[in-house]
Amino acid sequence: DIQMTQSPSSLSASVGDRVTITCRASQNIAKYLNWYRQKPGKAPTVLIYSASNLQSGVPPRFSGSGSGTDFTLTIANLQPEDFAIYFCQQAYSGPWTFGQGTKVEIK
Amino acid sequence: QVQLVQSGAEVEKPGASVKLSCEASGFTFTNYAFHWVRQAPGQSLEWMGWISAGDGDTRYSQKLLGRLTITTDTAATTVFMELTSLTSADTAVYYCARRARGHITYFDSWGQGTLVTVSS
Repeated sequence: DIQMTQSPSSLSASVGDRVTITCRASQNIAKYLNWYRQKPGKAPTVLIYSASNLQSGVPPRFSGSGSGTDFTLTIANLQPEDFAIYFCQQAYSGPWTFGQGTKVEIK
Repeated sequence: QVQLVQSGAEVEKPGASVKLSCEASGFTFTNYAFHWVRQAPGQSLEWMGWISAGDGDTRYSQKLLGRLTITTDTAATTVFMELTSLTSADTAVYYCARRARGHITYFDSWGQGTLVTVSS
């Protein structure tokens, strides 16, 4: 199975900040990488698919980059609703695996 | 609008089975595949398996092979997930999710989640 490792596990930030989360795959997954946000007590929702494509309806303050084994999710101008947990998911080969999550907390 | 509505919370004893449902609406059911993903308390997400609503093809996680069955009722536009021989390690929130159309597997719509608690 492909292992996905996110860093950091948690971070503190303020409204308006720029935040970057990293995801590393245990093998080359090309651009087969997706990002989700999970608000407390809710199901995840997709933000970015295929490493850098913004899902329809997602605000443009979210962006993704990377390929191969190293990927980043950047949130510009952090908003109150962005204090949540973020997961990456590899879509290169089954079983589809997720990172352990990065919790973005209010500073 | 696209909706996936899951059945309610369940409490089961070790060794029992549980069957959850996920009713889809707002789109053509048979055009999509549906996955089940679970999340143990305070943990990350674990992919369990999927079914193609068009032809009934299924794939399961090796870890759950033999205990997991995913089925559909096309007339009712509903996906079912049955997990047998439950242990406390199966305590989790279970989500159904729709696979987005296209060449990359990602989940563009999720149910609200169903909490399954396994306890004696």
